[in-house]
Amino acid sequence: KAGVTQTPRYLIKTRGQQVTLSCSPISGHRSVSWYQQTPGQGLQFLFEYFSETQRNKGNFPGRFSGRQFSNSRSEMNVSTLELGDSALYLCASRSDRARNSPLHFGNGTRLTVT
Amino acid sequence: DQQVKQNSPSLSVQEGRISILNCDYTNSMFDYFLWYKKYPAEGPTFLISISSIKDKNEDGRFTVFLNKSAKHLSLHIVPSQPGDSAVYFCAASAPYAGGTSYGKLTFGQGTILTVHP
Repeated sequence: KAGVTQTPRYLIKTRGQQVTLSCSPISGHRSVSWYQQTPGQGLQFLFEYFSETQRNKGNFPGRFSGRQFSNSRSEMNVSTLELGDSALYLCASRSDRARNSPLHFGNGTRLTVT
Repeated sequence: DQQVKQNSPSLSVQEGRISILNCDYTNSMFDYFLWYKKYPAEGPTFLISISSIKDKNEDGRFTVFLNKSAKHLSLHIVPSQPGDSAVYFCAASAPYAGGTSYGKLTFGQGTILTVHP
């Protein structure tokens, strides 16, 4: 089974621009979550999607948004980029068949804002 | 408010010996706990998990222990191998959305494990 796939692997953007990151979950996984990893804050939850609906949201400003498509693929968007948005953005998927099933992560998109 | 804490930033162990990584949590709603291993420039890799109804779970060289009264969990790696050298994160989740959502994990800050040959 293919793992979680994230594209692109690296991105360089300028302050004020917007960016869209893409994630394809493991086949059969309908739950997709997004995380931000920075040296100072560690791994922080952004949001979770299930069946095209946002099911949970972390403490990030409205500039961070996401969506999920009918094939469970997901995108996240960051508008009006700030220098502090430079981070590794990780997507993860899980099976909803078992109440306790682990998240499986992709290798992330490294975003650099200049 | 750091709900999941890994108080040891780093741990150094000799090959063949036991590695013990520790994690403390404060939120009594957490009922599912996981350990992940991470190499630079890669995403976290799931290692092992434990539900709050258990106090121990084993998978090969990895064993996780949960002490609910102390709000403490630990990961034991026996025997340790140089390939185990990585950053280890503990994570916890609580039910949400009527008990259907476990997609939000709260992570500790990580412990860098170095296993020397």
